[in-house]
Amino acid sequence: DAGVTQSPTHLIKTRGQQVTLRCSPKSGHDTVSWYQQALGQGPQFIFQYYEEEERQRGNFPDRFSGHQFPNYSSELNVNALLLGDSALYLCASSLILLSYSGANVLTFGAGSRLTVL
Amino acid sequence: DQQVKQNSPSLSVQEGRISILNCDYTNSMFDYFLWYKKYPAEGPTFLISISSIKDKNEDGRFTVFLNKSAKHLSLHIVPSQPGDSAVYFCADAGGTSYGKLTFGQGTILTVHP
Repeated sequence: DAGVTQSPTHLIKTRGQQVTLRCSPKSGHDTVSWYQQALGQGPQFIFQYYEEEERQRGNFPDRFSGHQFPNYSSELNVNALLLGDSALYLCASSLILLSYSGANVLTFGAGSRLTVL
Repeated sequence: DQQVKQNSPSLSVQEGRISILNCDYTNSMFDYFLWYKKYPAEGPTFLISISSIKDKNEDGRFTVFLNKSAKHLSLHIVPSQPGDSAVYFCADAGGTSYGKLTFGQGTILTVHP
């Protein structure tokens, strides 16, 4: 089982540019969530996708958008990059049924490290 | 909004001794709390969870305690091993937003041989 895979591992962008990060969920999972982890902080929830729709969203501006494909994989897009967007972006997958049980055990990928110069 | 705080940025423990990691939260809704462990260059991995209707949950060397009156939870690792050295995050699964986790800032645990 490959678990959650993310690409690219590292990337460097300049202010104002746009970036797309990709995620393949763990086999059998149908829900993908994205988190931003700034240096020295815990992961912060960006949004969650299920059935190709955004189901929940955290306190992130509209510059952050996403997509889920029929095979459950997902993309995170960030437009008009700011220096403050530099962070580790984590993708996590889960099964929607377990989400409602309260034991929301997410499986995380290793992340994409974004540096904005 | 729920806030989850880990006030100790780091903890250093001798191998074989107990490690105690602490976490405080603000809202008293029905919640599920989870602990995740993160090694460098890896994603967080699930460790143990506890429902807010319980006071304690145990899994091998790991025990989580929940003090609802103090809005406090703690993770005990006994005995601590050098392989336990990692960043530990507590997270709240939320009372109405089970799809979203609210994480604390993390505590770096170092277990010395």
